[in-house]
Amino acid sequence: DVVMTQSPLSLSVTLGQPASISCRSSQGLVFGDGDTYLHWFQQRPGQSPRRLIYKVSNRDSGVPDRFSGSGSGTDFTLKISRVEAEDVGIYYCVQDTGWPWTFGQGTKVEIK
Amino acid sequence: EVQLVESGGGLVQPGGSLRLSCVASGFISTDVWMGWVRQAPGKGLEWVAISRRGGSDKRYVDSVKGRFTISRDPAKNSLSLQMNNLRAEDTAVYYCASDRGEVWGQGTLVTVSS
Repeated sequence: DVVMTQSPLSLSVTLGQPASISCRSSQGLVFGDGDTYLHWFQQRPGQSPRRLIYKVSNRDSGVPDRFSGSGSGTDFTLKISRVEAEDVGIYYCVQDTGWPWTFGQGTKVEIK
Repeated sequence: EVQLVESGGGLVQPGGSLRLSCVASGFISTDVWMGWVRQAPGKGLEWVAISRRGGSDKRYVDSVKGRFTISRDPAKNSLSLQMNNLRAEDTAVYYCASDRGEVWGQGTLVTVSS
C-alpha cells in the first residue's frame, strides 16, 4: 500500500499569515495516463470532508484562491497564502493512483 | 449540482449485519468511481470500497474483504454497502463519495457494540 505521510500534524497560525502542509508518498503517484492523482481535502469541525485541490494543483469550484497545491513525484505541498478563521479544521492529502486509495494522517490547523 | 444522501446506519451487535444506502440527486456517470469512506471516532479517513462501470469493477480494502459488498444501481443513481460479520473496529461514520471525492454525503454513523 502507498503510505502518505503529512507534516506537521498540527499547525497554529496567526490570522492573515501563510501556512504550508507537506505530504510525502512512499511511491511515485503518476498514473498510466500521465496524471498524478494526489488531492487535498479540508474537514471543518463536525462537517464532511470537502475537496480543495485535485491532481496536485487544480482548485475545485468555489475554493478560494488563497489555497494552492504543488509538487511532483513523491513530495507535495498545500499552501494557504493568508489564513482566515474559516480555514480551521483538519487537512488531508490522499492518493488515488493505486488501490487502496490512502489518506495522510491529517494536519490540524488552528488559529493562534 | 449533485448531492449524496446516505442512510442505514445504526447500532448493531458484533457479528451482525447492516446495509448502507446512498442516493444521488443528480446524474453520475457509470464511468465515475463511487465509494465509501469511513472515519472512526476521532480518527482519520479510510477508503473502504469503490465501484465503477455499473458495478462490474469493485475494490475493497483488505480489512473488509469477504465481509462487505458494494453494489451500484445506475438506474436509481444509488450505491449500497452490505456489511456482514461486523466488528467493533468497523465503528465509524461512513461517507458516500463520488468521483474521487469531488462530492460527499453527510455521513451515517455505524456503531458495533454489544
